[in-house]
Amino acid sequence: AQKITQTQPGMFVQEKEAVTLDCTYDTSDPSYGLFWYKQPSSGEMIFLIYQGSYDQQNATEGRYSLNFQKARKSANLVISASQLGDSAMYFCAMREGRYNQGGKLIFGQGTELSVKP
Amino acid sequence: GAGVSQSPSNKVTEKGKDVELRCDPISGHTALYWYRQSLGQGLEFLIYFQGNSAPDKSGLPSDRFSAERTGGSVSTLTIQRTQQEDSAVYLCASSLASQAKETQYFGPGTRLLVL
Repeated sequence: AQKITQTQPGMFVQEKEAVTLDCTYDTSDPSYGLFWYKQPSSGEMIFLIYQGSYDQQNATEGRYSLNFQKARKSANLVISASQLGDSAMYFCAMREGRYNQGGKLIFGQGTELSVKP
Repeated sequence: GAGVSQSPSNKVTEKGKDVELRCDPISGHTALYWYRQSLGQGLEFLIYFQGNSAPDKSGLPSDRFSAERTGGSVSTLTIQRTQQEDSAVYLCASSLASQAKETQYFGPGTRLLVL
C-alpha cells in the first residue's frame, strides 16, 4: 500500500507567488515524522522542514511552512514568495517511530516545481 | 562542518563486474542509510546501520547487494555481478540517531551506469 502520496507530478508557479505542494500519508504508528526535501537538478537531497506527529504547531522554516492536518493525514508544503531557485523536485517523506526503530524514510513520488519569471 | 560525502560521484561499469560505493557520514552520526533512486522505482530504502550493525537490510534487492560499516563511520555498498537494472543513483544519508524526529542528511549520491 502506498504510504506517501504526492498527487501533483508537476506544478508551475509565478515568481513571488505562493505555492502549495500536496502530500498525504498513511500509517498506523502514532509516532512518526514528516519531512520535505528539495532535489535540484544537481541531484542532492536538501532537507527543508520537519513535522512531528505530536507537534501542536505547524512547522515553519523561513519561506517554507508545513500545513499539517493530522486527521486528514496530510502534510502540505507551502512555499511563500517563490524564487527562480525554487525550481526543483520536491519529495515528501515519512519516518515511522514506534514500530520501526530504524527510522527509514518512505518517500512519495515527488512533485516537480517550475517557477516562471 | 562537513556534510555527507560519497565516492565516486559517477561510475560506469560493464555488466557482470563488481562495484563498491563509499559513504562518509557526518561526524558523530550513529545512523547511516543507503537509498536508491531510479526512474521507474523512485526513492527506495536499501539498508540501515546503527553503529556497525545493520538491523534492517530489508530493502536490499538481491543477494548481489551487500554493505558494511566500520568504526561506526564509513560505509561501503558492494554490488556483485552488476546488471543493467542496477543502474541508478545511490544515495547515502546519516542522522544523529534513529528516532523518528531525527533528520536524515543526504550525500550527493553516486550515479551508477551498468552497460
